[in-house]
Amino acid sequence: AQSVSQHNHHVILSEAASLELGCNYSYGGTVNLFWYVQYPGQHLQLLLKYFSGDPLVKGIKGFEAEFIKSKFSFNLRKPSVQWSDTAEYFCAVNANNNNDMRFGAGTRLTVKP
Amino acid sequence: DGGITQSPKYLFRKEGQNVTLSCEQNLNHDAMYWYRQDPGQGLRLIYYSQIVNDFQKGDIAEGYSVSREKKESFPLTVTSAQKNPTAFYLCASSIAPGAVYEQYFGPGTRLTVT
Repeated sequence: AQSVSQHNHHVILSEAASLELGCNYSYGGTVNLFWYVQYPGQHLQLLLKYFSGDPLVKGIKGFEAEFIKSKFSFNLRKPSVQWSDTAEYFCAVNANNNNDMRFGAGTRLTVKP
Repeated sequence: DGGITQSPKYLFRKEGQNVTLSCEQNLNHDAMYWYRQDPGQGLRLIYYSQIVNDFQKGDIAEGYSVSREKKESFPLTVTSAQKNPTAFYLCASSIAPGAVYEQYFGPGTRLTVT
């Protein structure tokens, strides 16, 4: 079955540590890839997206993600996290440009000051 | 302010009752979506609408119904046929249907059925 996997359920880091959150998907064909973030008490919002072109995409607040087609992965990275990055992060995949977006289970990130 | 509003924030119902969740947007977006969020499962698509008077089932439409009579409104009814209705429900919209367009999310409604 088509799916999106986020293997890290809860990640705890200290400020200034580097972050990498994993996202793998099982779709074939053309994929559009997204990372959404939900800060405490706020709406879910788009962090970054990949449709085509350079597989390394940059988003808001210093986040980036790399699409590795051979590994079916779209991992999220940030070189140095801040306390304000504490949030829940969702990877999402849309396959074949249809209207169906599939979300991963989410990864909760806690950054200790 | 442009955005998506969902009301109420918390909703409590007795088992066997239908309940309707409100979603309104003033972004002039054509497409609207309903998701259900459960702990450890991420978001799952219930229904989506590409345009007024049109809607399509998502992955978990059983026990739910929607209508799209106005562009700005996409209410979701959780019927008594939904076996496990207690969840957090999120509404979203995008300027047009299709993955190339960013989805904007509302604040959500937490429904508890006892």
